[in-house]
Amino acid sequence: KAGVTQTPRYLIKTRGQQVTLSCSPISGHRSVSWYQQTPGQGLQFLFEYFSETQRNKGNFPGRFSGRQFSNSRSEMNVSTLELGDSALYLCASSLWTAKGDIQYFGAGTRLSVL
Amino acid sequence: AQSVAQPEDQVNVAEGNPLTVKCTYSVSGNPYLFWYVQYPNRGLQFLLKYITGDNLVKGSYGFEAEFNKSQTSFHLKKPSALVSDSALYFCAVRDNQGGKLIFGQGTELSVKP
Repeated sequence: KAGVTQTPRYLIKTRGQQVTLSCSPISGHRSVSWYQQTPGQGLQFLFEYFSETQRNKGNFPGRFSGRQFSNSRSEMNVSTLELGDSALYLCASSLWTAKGDIQYFGAGTRLSVL
Repeated sequence: AQSVAQPEDQVNVAEGNPLTVKCTYSVSGNPYLFWYVQYPNRGLQFLLKYITGDNLVKGSYGFEAEFNKSQTSFHLKKPSALVSDSALYFCAVRDNQGGKLIFGQGTELSVKP
């Protein structure tokens, strides 16, 4: 079974630009979550989508947005990039079972903002 | 608010020795705890989880974790460390008001030959 796939793996952008990151979950998983990882702030939750609906949102500005498609694939968008947006962006997918759920992570997209 | 803390930024262990990576938690209600490992330039890999039941949880790659309710701890352990275990380890708790994971700051494990 294929794991969580994130594309692209690396991105370089300049301040003020916007960027779109993509995540394909494990087949059958309907929940997709996004996290930002930086050396200073660690791992922080961005948002979670389930069946095309945002179910939960972290404390990030409105420049950060996301969506989920009917095939459970998800995208996140960051507009008007700032230097501080440089980070590893991780996507995780999960499937709820009677034994709870486990979030399985992709390899991430490393975004550098110059 | 729920949180987890990893009191050690770095743990150094000799190969073949037992290892412990510490985690303490603060939650309202029953905790739902996880350990993940991250290798350089990679995402997080799931190691193990605790929901309820036995206080000793066995996971992947020979790792196990001991849940201690009275000490609010969930330490990760392995009886015999390998050089290949060197990585960044994260403890996490599932937010009981949603599905998000709340992570500790991570512990860098270094296993020397």
